Amino acid sequence: QITLKESGPTLVKPTQTLTLTCTFSGFSLSTSGVGVGWIRQPPGKALEWLALIYWNDDKRYSPSLKSRLTITKDTSKNQVVLTMTNMDPVDTATYYCAHSSPIKGLDYWGQGTLVTVSS
Amino acid sequence: SYELTQPPSVSVSPGQTARITCSGDALPKQYAYWYQQKPGQAPVLVIYKDSERPSGIPERFSGSSSGTTVTLTISGVQAEDEADYYCQSADSSGTSIWVFGGGTKLTVL
Repeated sequence: QITLKESGPTLVKPTQTLTLTCTFSGFSLSTSGVGVGWIRQPPGKALEWLALIYWNDDKRYSPSLKSRLTITKDTSKNQVVLTMTNMDPVDTATYYCAHSSPIKGLDYWGQGTLVTVSS
Repeated sequence: SYELTQPPSVSVSPGQTARITCSGDALPKQYAYWYQQKPGQAPVLVIYKDSERPSGIPERFSGSSSGTTVTLTISGVQAEDEADYYCQSADSSGTSIWVFGGGTKLTVL
């Protein structure tokens, strides 16, 4: 059974760096083709894809946020970490991590974690 | 930047067929995926690779592709299908940059 769970601060101040951790079970990020992605959703708005890391450490970022994002993995801990620098109130959103299957796309999602950016 | 375009809303009566479209220039070359999201919940994959249905998803959900448009069809809509639906795909640059559509609110009248 694949599960994912996001963790991190619920409140960050403007200009600070956000660090979110996705802890997963039921699969290995060393399996060929597998990845973990991050997606966010501002309150009442649409989903926005942020980043993806693959089993071979290949990384992809949203072009509009690439300069602010870093995604890393720790295969031994079954964790993926996303950092976003220079946070702004417009970055207030629920942040999700999801398992990426080479065939089925984002087939398992975490419950999401709401991050509020406010002074 | 690459965009996927969806209608903001679709309304149908119970038992009717709902069709939600998603348009994008790269769709002839890239697979599309559809996600259902109910209020307060995480998205759920309902269609992958344009038209494949994951196990556990009712048969009334189907997907199709034609040129630059993909369509999610829900036949015999039920009240429980009321949700936001998002398409997702990748651009055609070969760099695997993913994108979501703006979402469609399905209302069951």
